[in-house]
Amino acid sequence: AQTVTQSQPEMSVQEAETVTLSCTYDTSESDYYLFWYKQPPSRQMILVIRQEAYKQQNATENRFSVNFQKAAKSFSLKISDSQLGDAAMYFCAYRIPAGKSTFGDGTTLTVKP
Amino acid sequence: GAVVSQHPSWVICKSGTSVKIECRSLDFQATTMFWYRQFPKQSLMLMATSNEGSKATYEQGVEKDKFLINHASLTLSTLTVTSAHPEDSSFYICSARDWRGQPAGGGELFFGEGSRLTVL
Repeated sequence: AQTVTQSQPEMSVQEAETVTLSCTYDTSESDYYLFWYKQPPSRQMILVIRQEAYKQQNATENRFSVNFQKAAKSFSLKISDSQLGDAAMYFCAYRIPAGKSTFGDGTTLTVKP
Repeated sequence: GAVVSQHPSWVICKSGTSVKIECRSLDFQATTMFWYRQFPKQSLMLMATSNEGSKATYEQGVEKDKFLINHASLTLSTLTVTSAHPEDSSFYICSARDWRGQPAGGGELFFGEGSRLTVL
């Protein structure tokens, strides 16, 4: 069974600084998708970034970027120039094409002014 | 991005009553929707996959008769918590997959706002 592990239950970062959230996963599949979702205090889940496993290039969305290491089964999220609005719970997720998603346990990010 | 609306956002009910939560895809058709349960500061636990026009697929350990799922149209799935008890109090979230403009199997998941159920 696929598993997703987020080893950092809580992280904190100073405003304007950079923070990296870790995620590892376990799978025997070669074709899959990886995601980072943000869940702010409002509880609405928002997609931050996605990565297709067949793409070697790391995905980037403005201040958010990933370090995708397929061989190591690692998928970390880097948030640059952290803002107060980035404070939220972040979930790493995995799924195969057309399959159901598996979520990590989440990392609560605090941004200090 | 696509919009998924969930209603009600919060509900309080008495023990023994049934509560229905709706999940609508507002600007796309969703043949598949997912229902999750989330406890405070924990991850999303998939309860069931809702399939339009057919029976839902429940995850192991989820009571089918307790959590009734109906996906009668391409834009609406409902979760009914029957004979609710205090232990059913939780945050329930739905999501729907938007396949538009995506490669095969690459449909994006969009989430509803969530529904907080409190059973007294």
